[in-house]
Amino acid sequence: QKEVEQDPGPLSVPEGAIVSLNCTYSNSAFQYFMWYRQYSRKGPELLMYTYSSGNKEDGRFTAQVDKSSKYISLFIRDSQPSDSATYLCAMTWITSGNTPLVFGKGTRLSVIA
Amino acid sequence: NAGVTQTPKFRILKIGQSMTLQCTQDMNHNYMYWYRQDPGMGLKLIYYSVGAGITDKGEVPNGYNVSRSTTEDFPLRLELAAPSQTSVYFCASSPKGQGADTQYFGPGTRLTVL
Repeated sequence: QKEVEQDPGPLSVPEGAIVSLNCTYSNSAFQYFMWYRQYSRKGPELLMYTYSSGNKEDGRFTAQVDKSSKYISLFIRDSQPSDSATYLCAMTWITSGNTPLVFGKGTRLSVIA
Repeated sequence: NAGVTQTPKFRILKIGQSMTLQCTQDMNHNYMYWYRQDPGMGLKLIYYSVGAGITDKGEVPNGYNVSRSTTEDFPLRLELAAPSQTSVYFCASSPKGQGADTQYFGPGTRLTVL
């Protein structure tokens, strides 16, 4: 079982739809959970992060973590064509030293106008 | 600030050739990383550095070498290129290297080995 599982899609939705992107993980030591957005032929950029369980909202984006189920989600409300990108979940744990990120494979999203 | 810059943007190599992928950051970050991204496979960490003169292996270091002589630069060296090294390579940097510390990525180098 891979440490982080993410459905690669592609996912195609009409403009204005609510989008749900998800990752599951196996390592219960993960404490920080991130979502990176990657536009075509660009490097990833951090979209949101959450610590431990709970929800975090930023404009049209909501990140949700359920540590009991080892499941994280990213919701996009009122999706726009500009949201078309690949979304990568990433997670890591707490130590005193460097903590490398473990990435999911990414989900490719297309929002159709 | 230019952020993280990478050169070249594209490169085609023949099997057995070698090359250096350049990475420079102007944010005075201590931590720098090299990833490769294969289609549908996510990002895999090749090497990372916690400061000038200090480097360590990531998940997939075989076939690569790195050096870090300055805070700004973190070149990745490919010796004896193989088709399995065809990928998109991303360099990234971060201030602290821990937890939710944001990693800032460069635009990538697309490498094809024929």
